[in-house]
Amino acid sequence: EAGVAQSPRYKIIEKRQSVAFWCNPISGHATLYWYQQILGQGPKLLIQFQNNGVVDDSQLPKDRFSAERLKGVDSTLKIQPAKLEDSAVYLCASTWGRGALNTIYFGEGSWLTVV
Amino acid sequence: GEDVEQSLFLSVREGDSSVINCTYTDSSSTYLYWYKQEPGAGLQLLTYIFSNMDMKQDQRLTVLLNKKDKHLSLRIADTQTGDSAIYFCAEKAGNNRKLIWGLGTSLAVNP
Repeated sequence: EAGVAQSPRYKIIEKRQSVAFWCNPISGHATLYWYQQILGQGPKLLIQFQNNGVVDDSQLPKDRFSAERLKGVDSTLKIQPAKLEDSAVYLCASTWGRGALNTIYFGEGSWLTVV
Repeated sequence: GEDVEQSLFLSVREGDSSVINCTYTDSSSTYLYWYKQEPGAGLQLLTYIFSNMDMKQDQRLTVLLNKKDKHLSLRIADTQTGDSAIYFCAEKAGNNRKLIWGLGTSLAVNP
């Protein structure tokens, strides 16, 4: 079974530039998450989708971050304009449903460095 | 509020047992999880425990839950160099049932 795919794996941009990350969840997984993980910290949930609807985006900095999941499958996360403090790993994850026992599968992450 | 705390570092010798501890604050937690993150990789679910259980064993892994003290531990028996990674404790809590994460414990296994 293919895992959660993310691209690009690595990106270096200058501050004030924009960047977009792409995620393809495991086939059939209705719930998709984007997490931000800053070095030395645990993951922080940015946004959760159920199919193509947003369930939770309370911690998404909406002035610069946006995410969409058109057609309820792939998702993109965009940062515009980027700040130095956005340097982090952006993890996409998916699960079949929202129940507690549904295992959340993570991609390998997209590593962003803002200089 | 919701909070999960872990010690940041643990160093053990190969073949010894490792015990990674975690405390949480939300008494309404339903499930508690242990995730493993190897360098440059995503998060891998190792095991989980339901809040009405006090122990769960899965091969070399033993999870102990003390609900009264809100304390969770992960014991890895016969620790190998391949177990070197960061281990995250997470709880599913709150009305929206989102995962609350600890900062991770970095496990170093010395030959």
